[in-house]
Amino acid sequence: GAVVSQHPSRVICKSGTSVKIECRSLDFQATTMFWYRQFPKQSLMLMATSNEGSKATYEQGVEKDKFLINHASLTLSTLTVTSAHPEDSSFYICSATEYTEAFFGQGTRLTVV
Amino acid sequence: AQSVTQLDSHVSVSEGTPVLLRCNYSSSYSPSLFWYVQHPNKGLQLLLKYTSAATLVKGINGFEAEFKKSETSFHLTKPSAHMSDAAEYFCVVSEGGVNRDDKIIFGKGTRLHILP
Repeated sequence: GAVVSQHPSRVICKSGTSVKIECRSLDFQATTMFWYRQFPKQSLMLMATSNEGSKATYEQGVEKDKFLINHASLTLSTLTVTSAHPEDSSFYICSATEYTEAFFGQGTRLTVV
Repeated sequence: AQSVTQLDSHVSVSEGTPVLLRCNYSSSYSPSLFWYVQHPNKGLQLLLKYTSAATLVKGINGFEAEFKKSETSFHLTKPSAHMSDAAEYFCVVSEGGVNRDDKIIFGKGTRLHILP
């Protein structure tokens, strides 16, 4: 089956630095990728929808200048958390769709210290 | 080890008939369980969640699910299917705690087809 690879699986960074998370579709072309974050015991929250070659569509309340999304190719989307703060510590997960099926990355645990 | 098994990759029901989407899980800790729906070209939408309160959980759009610990199941049901319910459904398990990193495991999804 289709595979979505998300990297890194875990990252610890200092407050004020930026962190980039990659999401790759390994054996299919994903025209649409989604980025989610999850707080403990909470449901996934959609952050943005990323379409190849165009600007991402951000959900209400998500700062686009803080969470930079780039979808430069049909197999790669990146999420950059800029000037990270401890409140950005969370679990981030990406999803890529092939036709109407969705596949999920393994997730990235971000801890900002 | 954690796992989530959605027993059917595709389910077809006639409009107006009941829906049953099955999900079994394994978890070392007390998990939170979720059902999400995804329509084409849309992000996941939360249908309902179980977080150790009432075992029968009511969600949006007439869906509900029952947490059965003895059967390690969290099946999603709806009494009467509507054409707009045609979508992909994901069962998700999340473990976590104050001193423990969250882990989140997705089922492989069940495609629900509604027949007119």
